[in-house]
Amino acid sequence: QVQLVESGGGVVQPGTSLRLSCAASGFTFGTYGIHWVRQAPGKGLEWVALIWYDGSKEYYADSVKGRFTISRDNSRNTLYLQMNSLRAEDTAVYYCARDRYNKFLDYWGQGTLVTVSS
Amino acid sequence: QSALTQPASVSGSPGQSITISCTGTSSDVGGYNSVSWYQQHPGKAPKLLIYDVSSRPSGVSNRFSGSKSGNTASLTISGLQAEDEADYYCSSYASSNTVVFGGGTKVTVL
Repeated sequence: QVQLVESGGGVVQPGTSLRLSCAASGFTFGTYGIHWVRQAPGKGLEWVALIWYDGSKEYYADSVKGRFTISRDNSRNTLYLQMNSLRAEDTAVYYCARDRYNKFLDYWGQGTLVTVSS
Repeated sequence: QSALTQPASVSGSPGQSITISCTGTSSDVGGYNSVSWYQQHPGKAPKLLIYDVSSRPSGVSNRFSGSKSGNTASLTISGLQAEDEADYYCSSYASSNTVVFGGGTKVTVL
């Protein structure tokens, strides 16, 4: 069965960096685009970034552009999100989710919590 | 990348039907047949309910249905049940391969 497992969350200070990982199993990882979506405490879903199946293209929300980088290692079935210059407003649960046909997200991980606080 | 507009809350009694609206623009909801809906119970990950405006993934109850008219999409839950109490989010692909979500609607079963 399709599984996506996020890791790497934690408590960090403003201005620092953190890298999240998303380990995939149960499907051919290298043939699917993958998204990062986040949800601040008590708030709604916010799309963060998308990377194509082969890593050739990346797209970002304006709120993270220039600070976050999405990447993938298809040999390790793993997606990454490098987050730099973190701000308090980046505090959220971060989910990875599988893309289908550039139209919808069909499987989601359980999320990893990132807290940015001094 | 403005969020799609959903009502904050909708409620109904068991067995009733309710409809959640999702309003965007011609650059997202109105411009693509790529509207999807997600259900999220407290503390859980979102679950895909509807894709391509009105299609249901395997395993999703046929009590959930979707539609779209112009810049507004809708999710209807018929025969409301206690387990339908959750948050619901619409989403649409937008220009430049970005995705936009609605603000979410809390469904309460009275």
